Amino acid sequence: GDSVTQMEGPVTLSEEAFLTINCTYTATGYPSLFWYVQYPGEGLQLLLKATKADDKGSNKGFEATYRKETTSFHLEKGSVQVSDSAVYFCALSRIGGANNLFFGTGTRLTVIP
Amino acid sequence: KAGVTQTPRYLIKTRGQQVTLSCSPISGHRSVSWYQQTPGQGLQFLFEYFSETQRNKGNFPGRFSGRQFSNSRSEMNVSTLELGDSALYLCASSLSPDRNTGELFFGEGSRLTVL
Repeated sequence: GDSVTQMEGPVTLSEEAFLTINCTYTATGYPSLFWYVQYPGEGLQLLLKATKADDKGSNKGFEATYRKETTSFHLEKGSVQVSDSAVYFCALSRIGGANNLFFGTGTRLTVIP
Repeated sequence: KAGVTQTPRYLIKTRGQQVTLSCSPISGHRSVSWYQQTPGQGLQFLFEYFSETQRNKGNFPGRFSGRQFSNSRSEMNVSTLELGDSALYLCASSLSPDRNTGELFFGEGSRLTVL
């Protein structure tokens, strides 16, 4: 079945450090891939998405590229800020099941000044 | 524009009781999905409603049910509560399954504690 495997956390980085959070998936067909973020005390919100192979999603300095050959969608940011501290979730949706998302377990990121 | 509103935000129940959670989607959104979030299992899909019809259902027992009203508001119900039902229940809305680009708008959740 469909699944998402996400890098275990928590991750603690200093401000301006480089961030990578690994995400790999298992799915039939060609799913859409997403990164959602949950800031403290807030609901999940979409950070970025990619709907086909080699697409790059980007937002707020974060990027992720849909790699079909490695079934991966790693999240990266060149220089993190304290305000990026949050829990990050990788997710996929199947064709025809756009609102049925399969989520990874989440990675908690803490950025220290 | 107002976001997704979930009520109540917090509630405590005892085993064997039942609970009803409510979700008001963003105005104009007609699709509502429910997710359960626990530390052990993470985020798991419960069900999705569109135009008052359940379109998809996750792998949860029949004690978990839901419905959607003509104004797109949705409720979910859990009967005969078990300790393992303690979780954050998240509601998400989107325009419609056909127009959905995969972006779900989540509420802040209803945190249920079962004693």
